Amino acid sequence: DADVTQTPRNRITKTGKRIMLECSQTKGHDRMYWYRQDPGLGLRLIYYSFDVKDINKGEISDGYSVSRQAQAKFSLSLESAIPNQTALYFCATSDLQGSSYNEQFFGPGTRLTVL
Amino acid sequence: GQNIDQPTEMTATEGAIVQINCTYQTSGFNGLFWYQQHAGEAPTFLSYNVLDGLEEKGRFSSFLSRSKGYSYLLLKELQMKDSASYLCAVRGTYKYIFGTGTRLKVLA
Repeated sequence: DADVTQTPRNRITKTGKRIMLECSQTKGHDRMYWYRQDPGLGLRLIYYSFDVKDINKGEISDGYSVSRQAQAKFSLSLESAIPNQTALYFCATSDLQGSSYNEQFFGPGTRLTVL
Repeated sequence: GQNIDQPTEMTATEGAIVQINCTYQTSGFNGLFWYQQHAGEAPTFLSYNVLDGLEEKGRFSSFLSRSKGYSYLLLKELQMKDSASYLCAVRGTYKYIFGTGTRLKVLA
């Protein structure tokens, strides 16, 4: 079973709709992240959370919100989707204590298209 | 500001050696990572450097010079399956900052 899962894997929606992307992990990591990836722009950080009560904005948080429902769950919401939010979205986890490298582990991604 | 630069695209031949460079300017440094990402898939961890020098893992090696803000990823005995994007990332105080990635094409 995958350690970091994302649902849905693909989603097509219309401008103005509210949409939620969900991320779950079984790695027991405290730290979770949401990124978007666009061609030529690399991975850009939207939000990150170091524990259930800690939420921080990344470099491109406008138009997005997040919820850390539990240690294992971190959801990303687009309150009113717009076409330039069309991108590949990745959830990632890391753990300061559990890994000697503290590398990030990524989910499989959600391809979102906003028409 | 914070910036990570790496070449956009490289091409190499199967069996050859290729070096992918990365330069960075970041506020805070707690390690440099290399990830491999096949098209449409998640990035996967390749290597980590926090001290100056070379780290070797099989066909992959990564080098770091903190004083120069420079790293490279060396791939030996290239295989067709190595065709992918390679992402350089720096872990700062709280966050990871990614470069835009280098797309490597391996030709037969």
